[in-house]
Amino acid sequence: EIVLTQSPGTLSLSPGERATLSCGASQSVTSSYLAWYQQKPGQAPRLLIYGASTRAAGIPDRFSGSGSGTDFTLNISRLEPEDFAVYYCQYYGTSPYTFGQGTKVEIK
Amino acid sequence: QVQLRESGPGLVKPSETLSLTCTVSGGSISSYYWSWIRQPPGKGLEWIGYIYYSGSTNYNPSLKDRVTISVDTSRSQFSLKLSSVTAADTAVYYCARRGSKTGPHSYWGQGTLVTVSS
Repeated sequence: EIVLTQSPGTLSLSPGERATLSCGASQSVTSSYLAWYQQKPGQAPRLLIYGASTRAAGIPDRFSGSGSGTDFTLNISRLEPEDFAVYYCQYYGTSPYTFGQGTKVEIK
Repeated sequence: QVQLRESGPGLVKPSETLSLTCTVSGGSISSYYWSWIRQPPGKGLEWIGYIYYSGSTNYNPSLKDRVTISVDTSRSQFSLKLSSVTAADTAVYYCARRGSKTGPHSYWGQGTLVTVSS
């Protein structure tokens, strides 16, 4: 089973700042199967990025993903008020499809 | 636009079986993979398993002995049964769609909270 570890647990930033979220895998994974989701309180997760770097339909270009092997990153270039949420990475290449524990991006 | 909606009892007694149904609208249930994912209150996400429209399944080993996922293509529904539940199974349960066997979870239901309590 692939274990995904996200850091930091919480990121305190101001609107307009850049956010960098990390996702580390317990072993090298195929980047084609790494996704990022955004979840707001009381809502279902929303797919942001798949294949490590491809934005899902309708996702603004301030969101970008990168990485390979065991280290992956989600960048939000300039935080908008609606971006404050919890972000999860997921590996969906082999079962079980595990999620990281999440990074909360909160308003500073 | 594809929509998924979970339905089922919000309260289940310990040792009983949790049963949920996901109804798909706005698109076909055929040719896609359909997952169940859960989230305990205040915690992270756990993938439970998936079913292909043809009926083939894949379960999380941590739950495999207690989980059954089935599909009814005529009703555009798929279902989850989780047996011998305990308080640890209290969670929001989501259904979700994958575009392919190797695709991400692109569409999600709004989730339904199931509480296990006597």
